[in-house]
Amino acid sequence: NAGVMQNPRHLVRRRGQEARLRCSPMKGHSHVYWYRQLPEEGLKFMVYLQKENIIDESGMPKERFSAEFPKEGPSILRIQQVVRGDSAAYFCASSPGSNQPQHFGDGTRLSIL
Amino acid sequence: QKEVEQDPGPLSVPEGAIVSLNCTYSNSAFQYFMWYRQYSRKGPELLMYTYSSGNKEDGRFTAQVDKSSKYISLFIRDSQPSDSATYLCAMRRDFGNEKLTFGTGTRLTIIP
Repeated sequence: NAGVMQNPRHLVRRRGQEARLRCSPMKGHSHVYWYRQLPEEGLKFMVYLQKENIIDESGMPKERFSAEFPKEGPSILRIQQVVRGDSAAYFCASSPGSNQPQHFGDGTRLSIL
Repeated sequence: QKEVEQDPGPLSVPEGAIVSLNCTYSNSAFQYFMWYRQYSRKGPELLMYTYSSGNKEDGRFTAQVDKSSKYISLFIRDSQPSDSATYLCAMRRDFGNEKLTFGTGTRLTIIP
């Protein structure tokens, strides 16, 4: 009974490269959420997706960041042309539907050199 | 001003004591309230999920919500060393608004 699976657990990129973070929701969950956690700060909402649809992207930076949740396969958070300020822990959560508790994965820790 | 305020601690208590963790918030639109536990280098683990005002108990954990004061609490009875972690409060608005707003977390240590 696997929980939310995120990979990679750790990702190192140089400035200007692209970062791709993957999230497989819990079995039976069709709603995915991405959050970012900076040191000494709480988790900040980024984006909410259902299969093939972005429902709420109010927390996504306007440039360089994008997210998708295709019909088949995991959800992907993509960061283009990374900068040092993108260094953070990125967490994915999933739920079986609207108005249901969100369950989190163990995150991807992104470091930018 | 942050929408959700939480004392970062650290908070240290002896094993067996009752722990009280709290958050205050400013947005009266929040309707759903959660507590998560996060161990180092791990993701948040859902402990309690409550709607509107009132109390909810689950084992050694009790969550309280006072919407009139915009104040929520988590009590841990008979605290154990394994309860040592960071505790995050989270909340969201009404049905259809799925975005969670988190406090910064309180770091708790239970001393054997």
